[in-house]
This record gives sequence, C-alpha cells and structure tokens, in this order.
Amino acid sequence: GESVGLHLPTLSVQEGDNSIINCAYSNSASDYFIWYKQESGKGPQFIIDIRSNMDKRQGQRVTVLLNKTVKHLSLQIAATQPGDSAVYFCAVTNNAGNMLTFGGGTRLMVKP
Amino acid sequence: DTGVSQDPRHKITKRGQNVTFRCDPISEHNRLYWYRQTLGQGPEFLTYFQNEAQLEKSRLLSDRFSAERPKGSFSTLEIQRTEQGDSAMYLCASSPAYGYGYTFGSGTRLTVV
Repeated sequence: GESVGLHLPTLSVQEGDNSIINCAYSNSASDYFIWYKQESGKGPQFIIDIRSNMDKRQGQRVTVLLNKTVKHLSLQIAATQPGDSAVYFCAVTNNAGNMLTFGGGTRLMVKP
Repeated sequence: DTGVSQDPRHKITKRGQNVTFRCDPISEHNRLYWYRQTLGQGPEFLTYFQNEAQLEKSRLLSDRFSAERPKGSFSTLEIQRTEQGDSAMYLCASSPAYGYGYTFGSGTRLTVV
C-alpha cells in the first residue's frame, strides 16, 4: 500500500521568512496530492492540492511542487506569519480517489 | 451549510462502555469518510460511504467498530466495549461524488479511562 513520510517533524522559522515543508510518497501511480494545515483541537484544513499532471501550483502565499521522478512533494509558504503556526500534513489519494494516506506531519513554529 | 459538523466534540467514557459519534456532512457531498488520529500522527482511514452504501470497511480497526449512514445524509460511528487504546480523535470528512475536495470536521476526541 501507499506510504507517506515527512522529512522533518519540526520546523522553526522567523516571521517574514519563507518556509519549506517536504513530503515523500511511495506509489508512483498516485494521482492527487493535498496539503492540510491542522491547528490544535481542530480538524485538518485544506491548503492546496495538485494533480499528477502538474509540477507546480500556486495559491495565496503558498506553492506546492511535485517531483514525480523522485516521488517528492513540497509546500512553500511565503512571508511566514504567526498565524501559520500549525502542523502540516501531506496526503495522497489512492487510485479510486476514496481514501487519503497521510504523512506524519511537520510542526511549523513561527518566531516573532 | 457551513461545513462538516461532528458531535460531541469531546467524550470521556469508561473502559467497556459503548460510544457513538455523529457526523453531518456538507449537504451536497455524496461521499462521507471516517478517520482516526492519534496524538502526533496523521489521520488514518477507517471507512467511507457513497450515499448510504458503505463501500470500504476493511480498514475498520476491529469488529468492535461499526459505521452507518442510513439515509445517505448523517453518519454514526460506534465503538463497542471501548478499550484504552481507542482513545484518539475521530474525524469525519465529506467530498463530492468524484472523491476530491475533502472537507474535514473538527473531530470528536475520545478518552477512555
């Protein structure tokens, strides 16, 4: 089955700096990838997604990069703010699109 | 409709008791999912419904876990004879029929004492 891993459990950045959170997945047939933000006591909140036919997708202050060759996914947050402090998860769907496999999460801490 | 609603937000129960959680999905979403999240881990898939049909339940953790979605709207997750290892956050999500656009609720945190 699919496995998803994150490279760093914790990331500390200075307010205003850019943040990069990484994720690796195992199934080369994976088609759809999502980044979620989870604050304490809340459910995962959708940030941005990308399909396998794309390499890059941009949102407001966030960019997701997909490298299918090495099965690597990254989330870039520009001008990180204190409100960005949370745990970030990458998730990958199975081929039927009915199940998400999550990585272990990276806790982003933003220093003022 | 402002999102996926879960009730209760918190549940403390004694070992051996049965518990039931409710999820109300986004009204136009046909698919409904249950996940479990333990401390420090990502959510783990349990089961999903398309309308009232439970199409995947092999990931339910044991036969003590069951889920229903009788009219294709709200869903319930029941855990019978709870154990301390069942303590976790139980998350519900819904999506449109094609399976993308997942939206999660805030979860029910279960503590078994």
